[in-house]
Amino acid sequence: AQSVSQHNHHVILSEAASLELGCNYSYGGTVNLFWYVQYPGQHLQLLLKYFSGDPLVKGIKGFEAEFIKSKFSFNLRKPSVQWSDTAEYFCAVNSNTNAGKSTFGDGTTLTVKP
Amino acid sequence: EPEVTQTPSHQVTQMGQEVILRCVPISNHLYFYWYRQILGQKVEFLVSFYNNEISEKSEIFDDQFSVERPDGSNFTLKIRSTKLEDSAMYFCASSLLAGGTQYFGPGTRLTVL
Repeated sequence: AQSVSQHNHHVILSEAASLELGCNYSYGGTVNLFWYVQYPGQHLQLLLKYFSGDPLVKGIKGFEAEFIKSKFSFNLRKPSVQWSDTAEYFCAVNSNTNAGKSTFGDGTTLTVKP
Repeated sequence: EPEVTQTPSHQVTQMGQEVILRCVPISNHLYFYWYRQILGQKVEFLVSFYNNEISEKSEIFDDQFSVERPDGSNFTLKIRSTKLEDSAMYFCASSLLAGGTQYFGPGTRLTVL
């Protein structure tokens, strides 16, 4: 069974600080990895995804994530956060089997102080 | 850019009533999903649907739940007899491929009184 673990439940940063949100997954086969963002009162939006190839993927709004297969990790990073990055961030995995259902982590609430 | 739409945005119902949540997936997508998010909790998988049948369902998706694709565009989630604990945000998603990127709708907030 797939599982996803996000280590940080709530992160508080000042503007311009660097961000790294941890994500570890557990699955026996090949996975696809995603980060979604949910701004207050809004729906889930895809930030970035990894299927194969270069393990460093770049997404929208200056976010990037690195897939480290040996560590089963897919951490999200941003060198300099902005107040508008305040949101909930979800790591998710799916695979090409079991109809591709996604398994989400618990989410990390990011608060950026202006 | 095509997007997944959901109606209504907010549904309030009495316990024991039936509700139908509606979704219009992206038109060329083949895989359809329902997820729910109880307030303050993570997004949980409910059911996946492909080729006019359920591919997989979670233990949450009991006999009170059903899904249907009544025509070529809509994908519905029915809760036969709602319970208080069904109160949540329900998200529909669709993807072109199994394991592909899932695109989520804006959600329907269901409140059961």
